[in-house]
Amino acid sequence: GENVEQHPSTLSVQEGDSAVIKCTYSDSASNYFPWYKQELGKRPQLIIDIRSNVGEKKDQRIAVTLNKTAKHFSLHITETQPEDSAVYFCAARGGGADGLTFGKGTHLIIQP
Amino acid sequence: AAGVIQSPRHLIKEKRETATLKCYPIPRHDTVYWYQQGPGQDPQFLISFYEKMQSDKGSIPDRFSAQQFSDYHSELNMSSLELGDSALYFCASSASTDTQYFGPGTRLTVL
Repeated sequence: GENVEQHPSTLSVQEGDSAVIKCTYSDSASNYFPWYKQELGKRPQLIIDIRSNVGEKKDQRIAVTLNKTAKHFSLHITETQPEDSAVYFCAARGGGADGLTFGKGTHLIIQP
Repeated sequence: AAGVIQSPRHLIKEKRETATLKCYPIPRHDTVYWYQQGPGQDPQFLISFYEKMQSDKGSIPDRFSAQQFSDYHSELNMSSLELGDSALYFCASSASTDTQYFGPGTRLTVL
C-alpha cells in the first residue's frame, strides 16, 4: 500500500515569513495529493490539492508543487499569519483506491 | 453551503458495548469515506462506499461494519468496543471519488 512521509513534524516561523512542508510518497500510481489543515479537535479542512498531471498550483498565499519523478510534493505558505497556526497533513490517493493515506502531520507555529 | 453532517457528535460507551455512528453526505455527493483519528495521530482510512456499494477498504477491524443507504447516508457499526477504539471518527464525502470534504467528526470515548 501507499506510504507517505512528512517533514518536519514541528515548524516554528516568524509572522510574515514563509513556511515549507515536504512530503514523499511510495506508490508511483498515486494520482491525487491534497493538503489539509486541522485545528485541535476540529475537522481536517482542505486547503489545496494537486493532481498528477500538474506540477504546481497556487491559491493566494498557498502553493503546492509536485515532482512525480522524485515522488515528492511540498506545501508553501507565504506571508504567514497567526491564524495559519495549526497541524497540516499531506495525503496521497493511490491509483484505483479511494481512501487517502496521510502523512504524520506538521505542527506549524507562527511566532508573533 | 451544506456540509457533511455527523451524529452523534460525542458518544461515551463501556467496553464490549456497541456503537452506531451516522453520516449524511453533502447533497449530490455519491461517495462516503470513514476515517479514524487517534489522539495526536493522522486520520486512518477505514472504508468507503460509492453508489451504495463498498468501493475500498482500509484498516477497518472485523468488529466494525458499515453500509450506505439508498438516500446516500452511511452508518458505521462498531461492536465489542475496546479502550483503543476511543478516537475521533470522521466521515467525508465526495462527488464521484473527487475531492473529499470532512464532517465535524464523532468523538467516541470507551470507558
